[in-house]
Amino acid sequence: AQSVTQLGSHVSVSEGALVLLRCNYSSSVPPYLFWYVQYPNQGLQLLLKYTSAATLVKGINGFEAEFKKSETSFHLTKPSAHMSDAAEYFCAVSDQGETSYDKVIFGPGTSLSVIP
Amino acid sequence: NAGVTQTPKFQVLKTGQSMTLQCAQDMNHEYMSWYRQDPGMGLRLIHYSVGAGITDQGEVPNGYNVSRSTTEDFPLRLLSAAPSQTSVYFCASSRAGVRGYTFGSGTRLTVV
Repeated sequence: AQSVTQLGSHVSVSEGALVLLRCNYSSSVPPYLFWYVQYPNQGLQLLLKYTSAATLVKGINGFEAEFKKSETSFHLTKPSAHMSDAAEYFCAVSDQGETSYDKVIFGPGTSLSVIP
Repeated sequence: NAGVTQTPKFQVLKTGQSMTLQCAQDMNHEYMSWYRQDPGMGLRLIHYSVGAGITDQGEVPNGYNVSRSTTEDFPLRLLSAAPSQTSVYFCASSRAGVRGYTFGSGTRLTVV
């Protein structure tokens, strides 16, 4: 069965510092991978997705993630944190089924705090 | 373009009561799903639908029913509410073949 682990339920960074949120997955086949962001009292918003086209994926708000098959990882980074980046971040995985519904499995989430 | 609309935003139920959480999307998406979000557990799939008239169970379906009579609507019914169903519920939709969901803003349900 697929699973997603996110190292660190809470991460704090200083404004302007590098943001690194870790995600590792387990899947028997090459998966689709996603990062979602959730601001307080809101729904989830898709940040970026990996669908096998390129291993380095750029998303919205300056975020990017790199798919590393050998490490089964899909870590999320941003070079310089902004106060507005404070939110909950979820990594998710699904199988590359072409015709069937993709059951997406979400990780437990990482809460990002940005310190002025 | 409203996207995915969920009502109500907040609800308090007494144990044993029933209710329906509403979800509607105006993007003509084929796939719709219901998730519940609990602290430290991420989102867990309750039920999903791949088109009108077609539904299936997810990871945590017990105590919930769904139906999909139209492409736009995907209501979630709680048959007899229990305190363990206290959670935030999210509806999401996606177009077949396009990976990535559009989420509603959620319904915060408390069962006392």
